[in-house]
Amino acid sequence: AQTVTQSQPEMSVQEAETVTLSCTYDTSESDYYLFWYKQPPSRQMILVIRQEAYKQQNATENRFSVNFQKAAKSFSLKISDSQLGDAAMYFCAYRTMEYGNKLVFGAGTILRVKS
Amino acid sequence: EAGVVQSPRYKIIEKKQPVAFWCNPISGHNTLYWYLQNLGQGPELLIRYENEEAVDDSQLPKDRFSAERLKGVDSTLKIQPAELGDSAVYLCASSLRSFGDGAEQFFGPGTRLTVL
Repeated sequence: AQTVTQSQPEMSVQEAETVTLSCTYDTSESDYYLFWYKQPPSRQMILVIRQEAYKQQNATENRFSVNFQKAAKSFSLKISDSQLGDAAMYFCAYRTMEYGNKLVFGAGTILRVKS
Repeated sequence: EAGVVQSPRYKIIEKKQPVAFWCNPISGHNTLYWYLQNLGQGPELLIRYENEEAVDDSQLPKDRFSAERLKGVDSTLKIQPAELGDSAVYLCASSLRSFGDGAEQFFGPGTRLTVL
């Protein structure tokens, strides 16, 4: 079974600075998807960025980028130019490419942004 | 386009009472998911529907939990009777399909259940 581990329960960053959230996972599959989701206090889970394991190029979405290290099974999220609106719980998630579409989530990292 | 709608947003009940949560997925989405999210943890899948068929309910505690998705659109998740440990957020998500392109899951705002 796949597992996802987020070792940072809480992180803080100064507004306009950069922060990196860590995620490691365990799987025996060679093809899969990885995601970072943001969950603000409103609880609406929002997709931030996704990465297909077969793609070597790291995904980027505006101020958000990932560092995907397949051999190390590591998938970190970098947020540049942090904004107050980035404050939320961030979840790393794994999804198999097999039929079923099951998402396995990590425990989450609370990100606090200081003005 | 409207997102996934859930109601109620909050529910407070006493233990041993029944409770039901409702979810309306994004129009055209065939796959619907119910997740349980305990405080400070990531969501865990309870059940997945393909249209009106429950195809993965291995994590659903069937002694007290039940779910239905009549006509393959809206879904209801029920707990009877509720226990103190059921206090959590119940998330609903939907996707166009459950494989390949179009399998992206879109989440609703969840229902926060408090059992006293």
